[in-house]
Amino acid sequence: DTAVSQTPKYLVTQMGNDKSIKCEQNLGHDTMYWYKQDSKKFLKIMFSYNNKELIINETVPNRFSPKSPDKAHLNLHINSLELGDSAVYFCASRSTVSEYGYTFGSGTRLTVV
Amino acid sequence: AQSVTQLDSQVPVFEEAPVELRCNYSSSVSVYLFWYVQYPNQGLQLLLKYLSGSTLVKGINGFEAEFNKSQTSFHLRKPSVHISDTAEYFCAVSETSGGSYIPTFGRGTSLIVHP
Repeated sequence: DTAVSQTPKYLVTQMGNDKSIKCEQNLGHDTMYWYKQDSKKFLKIMFSYNNKELIINETVPNRFSPKSPDKAHLNLHINSLELGDSAVYFCASRSTVSEYGYTFGSGTRLTVV
Repeated sequence: AQSVTQLDSQVPVFEEAPVELRCNYSSSVSVYLFWYVQYPNQGLQLLLKYLSGSTLVKGINGFEAEFNKSQTSFHLRKPSVHISDTAEYFCAVSETSGGSYIPTFGRGTSLIVHP
């Protein structure tokens, strides 16, 4: 009954590989997000998506792409992984109608070797 | 554009002592303000939020924060901390106009509660 669930929790992969992180929310929220948290705990927005609009942080490399098969899912695809992509990635969701706080997933720790 | 400054990267405190975690923001328009807590190896959890109305906001786990518009601050306080409050605390701000409401997070304050 987890509200926002991410899989996998840990991901270790080699440079150059392509990987995906899945995110699902069962809250009925209309907007989902991906954040990257670096080793210094800094949180950076990567994408914001609802069924009408995808907002991309222009500093995010185009190797990163969100894919949303439906309103409850927002997956993150990463091509040609680099060492600097190592971080914790958080999915979050929010209802733009009823309130303004996020619900976060528990994170995916990506390590690129 | 909005920005958030958390003035202390680390705050050590003894158990049962009071604590204040400081947050200042900058924005050219009205804002919503949030505090989130991140326990080790977990995601962020909403502690409290200010949208409008009373400037004193009460949240979960005995925390409260006060919105001070003139000082552009939203400091988080707890009168008596527990060991279990040891965590990373993030202040966040989002503008009330513009549609996306995507918040900007501060760099976090690590609260360390000693026995």
